[in-house]
Amino acid sequence: DIQMTQSPSSLSASVGDRVTITCRASQSISSYLNWYQQKPGKAPKLLIYAASSLQSGVPSRFSGSGSGTDFTLTISSLQPEDFATYYCQQSYSTPEITFGPGTKVDIK
Amino acid sequence: QVQLVQSGAEVKKPGASVKVSCKASGYTFTSYYMHWVRQAPGQGLEWMGIINPSGGSTSYAQKFQGRVTMTRDTSTSTVYMELSSLRSEDTAVYYCARETITIFGVVMYNWFDPWGQGTLVTVSS
Repeated sequence: DIQMTQSPSSLSASVGDRVTITCRASQSISSYLNWYQQKPGKAPKLLIYAASSLQSGVPSRFSGSGSGTDFTLTISSLQPEDFATYYCQQSYSTPEITFGPGTKVDIK
Repeated sequence: QVQLVQSGAEVKKPGASVKVSCKASGYTFTSYYMHWVRQAPGQGLEWMGIINPSGGSTSYAQKFQGRVTMTRDTSTSTVYMELSSLRSEDTAVYYCARETITIFGVVMYNWFDPWGQGTLVTVSS
């Protein structure tokens, strides 16, 4: 099984801050990496697919990078509506999908 | 618009079974695989399995083998997830999620979009 880890597990940031979340796979997954945002009581929402492609309708302050085992989600200027939990997901071993444990972004 | 609407919350006793539905609309039901993902209270996302609505074939996470059954009804564009022998650890929100595939050159990428709104299943005596 491909294991996914994320760091940090949580972070506190202020509006306007640049935020970076890291996701690491236990083996190379090429660019088969997606990012989701989840707010309390809501379903996850797709932000980034194929490591760096921005989903339609998602603000351009979100970006993704990386390939192989190391990936990054960056929010260039944190907005109030961005406070949420972020999950990475590998689809390399489809259909055996695995998610990272999540990174909670809250207000400093 | 593409939409997945799930059935309502359930309360079950240990040892019972639960069947959650997910009704799709806004697209050709048989053209997209559907996955089920669950989330225990305060925890992360856990993949349970996949169903091909076209032929009905399935693949389940090893953890749920023997306890989960995914089916579909093409006449109503609905997929179902049934989990049996429930225990307290199965208390969670269960989501259906449509798999979308795109081909970049010769490489096929896939992701989940959209998701259903979630169904809370509570297992308690």
